[in-house]
Amino acid sequence: QVQLQQWGAGLLKPSETLSLTCAVYGGSFSGYYWSWIRQPPGKGLEWIGEINHSGSTNYNPSLKSRVTISVDTSKNQFSLKLSSVTAADTAVYYCARGLRGYSNQYYYYMDVWGKGTTVTVSS
Amino acid sequence: SSELTQDPAVSVALGQTVRITCQGDSLRSYYASWYQQKPGQAPVLVIYGKNNRPSGIPDRFSGSSSGNTASLTITGAQAEDEADYYCNSRDSSGNFWVFGGGTKLTVL
Repeated sequence: QVQLQQWGAGLLKPSETLSLTCAVYGGSFSGYYWSWIRQPPGKGLEWIGEINHSGSTNYNPSLKSRVTISVDTSKNQFSLKLSSVTAADTAVYYCARGLRGYSNQYYYYMDVWGKGTTVTVSS
Repeated sequence: SSELTQDPAVSVALGQTVRITCQGDSLRSYYASWYQQKPGQAPVLVIYGKNNRPSGIPDRFSGSSSGNTASLTITGAQAEDEADYYCNSRDSSGNFWVFGGGTKLTVL
């Protein structure tokens, strides 16, 4: 049973850099899309970006200038850095495993999620 | 387009059938996946692909798709199904994930 365990600083000041890490236990690291998603209080889910085992990344265009996602395959971990945070970055941040399938057409889904980390940005 | 559109709220009487929909151009290319989220919890995958349920998801949950619209149907809704539901897919380019805005399901 694959599990994702995530951690990182929960309280930041404006202009600081958010840093979170997600460790993958019980499964392979290769062949998947490893994503970060966030959810502001009372709002919906927003995809931040993804990385695969070889380090190829895709980022949400709205956050691209501030986001860096990296991977450490030796530890089966991937990390998120979000720079110059503001109060608008206050959210629960999730890591998740994504994969692709095919049945007449392609489909993508996120089948395993971390428990979430609450990040608050406040002066 | 990279947007997925959902109705903000839907209600259903206990034991009845409810359909939650998700619209977007990318759904002409990719099947949607569906997630259930209860307060204070991480999302849980309930439907993926054409109509696949992960292990442990009750068979009252089903999915379908037509054109640019994906649907999640709960047949015989239970009190424990009250939650927020999100659809998800790649965008039309295939490079980015997109989420719908979510539908709050109330079971009356």
